Amino acid sequence: KNQVEQSPQSLIILEGKNCTLQCNYTVSPFSNLRWYKQDTGRGPVSLTIMTFSENTKSNGRYTATLDADTKQSSLHITASQLSDSASYICVVRFFYGGATNKLIFGTGTLLAVQP
Amino acid sequence: DTAVSQTPKYLVTQMGNDKSIKCEQNLGHDTMYWYKQDSKKFLKIMFSYNNKELIINETVPNRFSPKSPDKAHLNLHINSLELGDSAVYFCASEGAKQETQYFGPGTRLLVL
Repeated sequence: KNQVEQSPQSLIILEGKNCTLQCNYTVSPFSNLRWYKQDTGRGPVSLTIMTFSENTKSNGRYTATLDADTKQSSLHITASQLSDSASYICVVRFFYGGATNKLIFGTGTLLAVQP
Repeated sequence: DTAVSQTPKYLVTQMGNDKSIKCEQNLGHDTMYWYKQDSKKFLKIMFSYNNKELIINETVPNRFSPKSPDKAHLNLHINSLELGDSAVYFCASEGAKQETQYFGPGTRLLVL
């Protein structure tokens, strides 16, 4: 069964600290993996997207890694800020039925950054 | 300029009513989506349209009917609204390279 699981479900950290969010997937065959940030009351916004051949991709203080062999991805946030408080969603695209592809959304990690 | 816009932002209505949510994108994308986000914040795809043609229709009650008059618009019509339809509905669009989706601000539907 194609699944995307994220951990932890929620996380509280102090401002200035680093944190790492995890995403494990069982999706196959894999096309790409994306991390989105969703602020409260807003739509998700893309942070990074990685294909099979990419191991690391950065976007400012956000760094995503991908291990296609173990089907794991992580999102590392450096020097957290209050504005990082949001839900972070891992989304995997995979192929099915030839060239047709589909998206599977993870359940998200809710991050709270406290002063 | 707003890339993906939705109207209305809030919608409060009674059970049994019929309502529509509109979505427009000015990014020139070919593919548009409707998602439902429930109280547990899980995003679930409902429909996907590519160039006005339906390409994904997940297990959604047939009370929900998407309509795409042109590739810049994907509207969602809901008949006979039920309490369980209360959620936030997001529209999104995606370019041909399928690299990222751009989401609208969401429509918060409350069925009383």
